[in-house]
Amino acid sequence: KNQVEQSPQSLIILEGKNCTLQCNYTVSPFSNLRWYKQDTGRGPVSLTIMTFSENTKSNGRYTATLDADTKQSSLHITASQLSDSASYICVVSANSNYQLIWGAGTKLIIKP
Amino acid sequence: GAGVSQTPSNKVTEKGKYVELRCDPISGHTALYWYRQSLGQGPEFLIYFQGTGAADDSGLPNDRFFAVRPEGSVSTLKIQRTERGDSAVYLCASSLRQGARDTQYFGPGTRLTVL
Repeated sequence: KNQVEQSPQSLIILEGKNCTLQCNYTVSPFSNLRWYKQDTGRGPVSLTIMTFSENTKSNGRYTATLDADTKQSSLHITASQLSDSASYICVVSANSNYQLIWGAGTKLIIKP
Repeated sequence: GAGVSQTPSNKVTEKGKYVELRCDPISGHTALYWYRQSLGQGPEFLIYFQGTGAADDSGLPNDRFFAVRPEGSVSTLKIQRTERGDSAVYLCASSLRQGARDTQYFGPGTRLTVL
């Protein structure tokens, strides 16, 4: 069964600190993996997208990694800001399939 | 507009009533998707349109749910005889084409509350 699991479920860190969010997936055949940021009351916004051959992708202070062999991805946030408080959702696509398999997300809270 | 818009942003209705939720996709995007998101969960796929036709409606939970996209742009999600379990945020997304590599751009969602 295609599944995406994320950890931790929630995370609280102080402003300025770094953090890493984890994503494990069992989706086959794999096409790509995305990280979305979803602010409270808003729709998800795409941060990064990685295909099978890409190991890392950066978007400002966000860096995503992908290990297609172990089927794991991480999202690293550097020098966190209050505006980083949101849910971060890992989403995987199967080949030739528009349907996205969503994780439940990690709720990140940045405290001043 | 620059992004996907949805109206209303909030809808409160009573059990048994009919509601319509509207989505305006990004201009030129041929693919349009509806999702439903419950608190603390990722979005759940409902239906996908390619142009005017519903290419995949396998995610609609039952026949009380129906969606249309008559001119291949704006879409309306219709829910009949609403139930309390229908309460959720309904998200719409559009993409330039359909396919695994096309990024879906999401609207802000409509928060539906059924009393």
